[in-house]
Amino acid sequence: AQSVTQPDIHITVSEGASLELRCNYSYGATPYLFWYVQSPGQGLQLLLKYFSGDTLVQGIKGFEAEFKRSQSSFNLRKPSVHWSDAAEYFCAVSNTNAGKSTFGDGTTLTVKP
Amino acid sequence: NAGVTQTPKFQVLKTGQSMTLQCAQDMNHNSMYWYRQDPGMGLRLIYYSASEGTTDKGEVPNGYNVSRLNKREFSLRLESAAPSQTSVYFCASSEINEQYFGPGTRLTVT
Repeated sequence: AQSVTQPDIHITVSEGASLELRCNYSYGATPYLFWYVQSPGQGLQLLLKYFSGDTLVQGIKGFEAEFKRSQSSFNLRKPSVHWSDAAEYFCAVSNTNAGKSTFGDGTTLTVKP
Repeated sequence: NAGVTQTPKFQVLKTGQSMTLQCAQDMNHNSMYWYRQDPGMGLRLIYYSASEGTTDKGEVPNGYNVSRLNKREFSLRLESAAPSQTSVYFCASSEINEQYFGPGTRLTVT
């Protein structure tokens, strides 16, 4: 069975600082990996996805993520955080059958001025 | 394009009451999903539908039923609501794994 672990429940960074959110997955084959962002009271929005090819993927809002098969990780990064990035972030893994995704428990990002 | 729409946005039920959450998508996607989101637990899949006319149980189906009315619409029914079903419910649709989410329905069962 596929699973996703986001080790950090809550992260606080200063505005302008760099950010890395961790994600580890468990899946038997090559996974489809996603990062979503959820602002308070809103649905989830896709930030980026990895299906195959280049292991460094670029997403919206200046985010990027790197797929590392040897570490079963798909960490999300941003070089300089903005106050508007404060939100909850979810990593997800999917198989190829009907696109069912398993989500991590989420990481809440707080941005200090 | 409206994307994925959900009604209602908020609902309060008494224990034992029934209700149906509605979801519609206008992206011509084959797959649709219902999730519930509880604090600290991420999203858990309740039911999904890989295509019109098919439905399958997810991780937490007990106490729920679904109907894939047509390609656009996928409804979730609570036959006898329980306080444990207090949650935020999200509908999503997808084509080739990328999921698009609705704004959610906040349900409180007292």
